[in-house]
Amino acid sequence: DVKVTQSSRYLVKRTGEKVFLECVQDMDHENMFWYRQDPGLGLRLIYFSYDVKMKEKGDIPEGYSVSREKKERFSLILESASTNQTSMYLCASRRRLEGLSPLHFGNGTRLTVT
Amino acid sequence: EDQVTQSPEALRLQEGESSSLNCSYTVSGLRGLFWYRQDPGKGPEFLFTLYSAGEEKEKERLKATLTKKESFLHITAPKPEDSATYLCAVQDSGSARQLTFGSGTQLTVLP
Repeated sequence: DVKVTQSSRYLVKRTGEKVFLECVQDMDHENMFWYRQDPGLGLRLIYFSYDVKMKEKGDIPEGYSVSREKKERFSLILESASTNQTSMYLCASRRRLEGLSPLHFGNGTRLTVT
Repeated sequence: EDQVTQSPEALRLQEGESSSLNCSYTVSGLRGLFWYRQDPGKGPEFLFTLYSAGEEKEKERLKATLTKKESFLHITAPKPEDSATYLCAVQDSGSARQLTFGSGTQLTVLP
């Protein structure tokens, strides 16, 4: 089974802090994704990566950046955390970007910015 | 712009009371529709992929169907362990990189 591991289940940060969310997958998937999940809004794509050092913006990239230095690891960075970034963050990986293989998700990081 | 609407937002059933969840979608061209189950405090877990109208897939008490405008997730004789949020997502043929998710249906099955 694919395993997607997010380094933290819960994080509490202060406004203005730089925040790193880490994600590792163990199935050699080329494609990795960061979503945020908010009540009533569903999952919204922040950024995705289809190869090492490659990235593309999703629907809501403002205030975020990403890093993919190794195939198995995809990091989400909040340059200066704000209270409206309080959310559940979900990392996912996928075998083929152009195909129809399903996304495999981690268990999420619940971030609170105070 | 792709849109996915799930209804109802929440559903409470008695154990054994069968029902259906709805996912209606608007896309320029459907490449595939996905169903996921999400338990509290966990990430979504993949259930099914449907590719074309008329297709059906089953897994235990769940059966997913697809038409040109919507998909249904039928739950037959549900048990309390079926309680979860069920998410629907579509892949548009014009946007191969992204899925568009609905907001989900929160299902509670009472013993």
